[in-house]
This record gives sequence, structure tokens and C-alpha cells, in this order.
Amino acid sequence: DIVMTQSPLSLPVTLGQPASISCRSSQSLVFSDGITYLNWFQQRPGQSPRRLIYKVSNRDSGVPDRFSGSGSGTDFTLKISRVEAEDVGVYYCMQGTQWPITFGQGTRLEIK
Amino acid sequence: EVQLVESGGGLVRPGGSLRLSCATSRFTFSKYAMTWVRQAPGKGLEWVSSISGSGGGTFYADSVKGRFTISRDNSKNTLYLQMNSLRAGDTALYYCVKSCGADCYSGFDNWGQGTLVTVSS
Repeated sequence: DIVMTQSPLSLPVTLGQPASISCRSSQSLVFSDGITYLNWFQQRPGQSPRRLIYKVSNRDSGVPDRFSGSGSGTDFTLKISRVEAEDVGVYYCMQGTQWPITFGQGTRLEIK
Repeated sequence: EVQLVESGGGLVRPGGSLRLSCATSRFTFSKYAMTWVRQAPGKGLEWVSSISGSGGGTFYADSVKGRFTISRDNSKNTLYLQMNSLRAGDTALYYCVKSCGADCYSGFDNWGQGTLVTVSS
């Protein structure tokens, strides 16, 4: 199975400051079609997860442009350019390149 | 807007069975693979099972293989998860998730609100 490792697991951030979450996979996430199936999700307190980013760097409709995804191979990053109060929650990376689909452990973002 | 509404959760004794349902609307159900993802209380997300748009392809996590069966009724726009031989470790909120295409499994672009399964004596 591909293991997804996120860091940090806890991320206290001051409002208006940037934040960055790392996600590393135990194997390359490049599929045979050349596409990297790496998604990022946000789970606000008491809510269902919501996809923010798909295929590494594609932002979902309605997701603020302060969120961005980057990376390749086994090393990926979710960045928030300026954290707002509504960004509090847990962030997960997920790989869909190989069965079984696997998630990172989650990174809890809180406001300092 | 895509709608996914899970039901069927509840309290069940170890060794018991439950069938979860996910009623969907506002998209062409048969054109999309569907997935169940669970989240134990206070824990992270765990993929459980996926099914192709036609229903001909099914995939399971090792932790549920042989005990859970995913299925769908495209005439009713409904996804199911039959859960047998339930264990305490199956206690979780079960989410119904829409994927990116009939044989595209990793999209996870829409999630339901979840249905809670509690396995306890």
C-alpha cells in the first residue's frame, strides 16, 4: 500500500499569515497515463470533507485562490497564502493512483 | 447541486449486519463511480470500497474484504453497502462519495453528510 505522510500534524497559524502542509508518498504517484492522482481535502469542524485540489494543483470551483497545490512524484504541498478564520479544520491529502486509495493522517490547522 | 444522502446507520452488536444506502440526485448516477469512506470517532479518513458506474467493478479495503459488499441500483440512483460480521473497529461515520467518471475512482468531488455506524454490545 502507498503510505501518505503529512507534516506537520498540527499547524498553529496567525490570521493573515501563510501556511504550508507537506504530503509525502511512499511511492511515486504518477500513474501509467502520466497523471498524478493527488487530492487535497478540507474538513471543517462538524462538517463533511470537501475537496480543494485535485491532480496536484487544480483548484475546485468555489475554492478561494489563496489555496494552491504543488509538487510531483512523491512530494506535494498545500499552501494557503493568507490564513483566514474559516480555514480552521483538518486537511488531508489522498492518493488515487494505486489501490487501495489512501489518505494522509491529517493536519489540524488552528488560529494562534 | 449534487445531492448524496446516506441512511441506514445505527447501533448493532458485534457480529451483526447493517445495510447502508446513499440516495443520490442532480447528476447522472450511472456515469460515475461511487465510493464509501469512513471516519472513526476523532480519527482520520479511511477508504472502504468503490464501485464502477456500471457496477461491474468493485474494490475493497483489506479491512472489510469478505465482510462488506458494495452495490448500486442505477434505476434508483442509489448506492449500497452491505456490512456483515461487524466488529467494534467498524464503528465510524460512513460517507458516500461521488467520483470523477464511470471508471474514474479517485475524484471524490462530492461527499454526503455521513451515517453513523456504532458496533457495540
